[in-house]
Amino acid sequence: GAVVSQHPSRVICKSGTSVKIECRSLDFQATTMFWYRQFPKQSLMLMATSNEGSKATYEQGVEKDKFLINHASLTLSTLTVTSAHPEDSSFYICSARLAEQFFGPGTRLTVL
Amino acid sequence: GQNIDQPTEMTATEGAIVQINCTYQTSGFNGLFWYQQHAGEAPTFLSYNVLDGLEEKGRFSSFLSRSKGYSYLLLKELQMKDSASYLCAVRSLLAGRRALTFGSGTRLQVQP
Repeated sequence: GAVVSQHPSRVICKSGTSVKIECRSLDFQATTMFWYRQFPKQSLMLMATSNEGSKATYEQGVEKDKFLINHASLTLSTLTVTSAHPEDSSFYICSARLAEQFFGPGTRLTVL
Repeated sequence: GQNIDQPTEMTATEGAIVQINCTYQTSGFNGLFWYQQHAGEAPTFLSYNVLDGLEEKGRFSSFLSRSKGYSYLLLKELQMKDSASYLCAVRSLLAGRRALTFGSGTRLQVQP
């Protein structure tokens, strides 16, 4: 199957700082990638759809100025959590779509 | 909107068979997915149904009835490593979205 990587796998940061998470499709090109967030013992919630060469599409309730998405190439999308707060602590997972969606390994963000 | 329901928790015995049900309501249905997710890890793809019927893949089978908005995942010859959350997800073509909407997941505990 297709491989999607994420970096970093784990990050701890201070409140008010910004954190960038990278999502790469390693063996295929992805014009569309998806960013999900998962809180403990809850399911995945779609945050935004990342489109190569155009603006991301955000889900209702997700602040586009806080969660900056850049899909600069066919193999890379980045999510930047700006001015992170403790309530942003979560498991962030990206996926890229062929016929089915393949997920990256996730990034656990802890904001102190 | 979309609505996906699945049981919160299930318990089964090693070597047995377990069926995890999922009901959904959506417009523009374009496929139902099952994912397995171990704690702290990203989901891994198990199966995909877009037409009615049963799809079998080793110890795992998935069934879909579009008219009833119903699917199940069948796990045979349960092993301890099958203890995980199982996520039912639906893809809809509504408004051009290709992202998946996930159910809350079913936590399966396999006991000796």
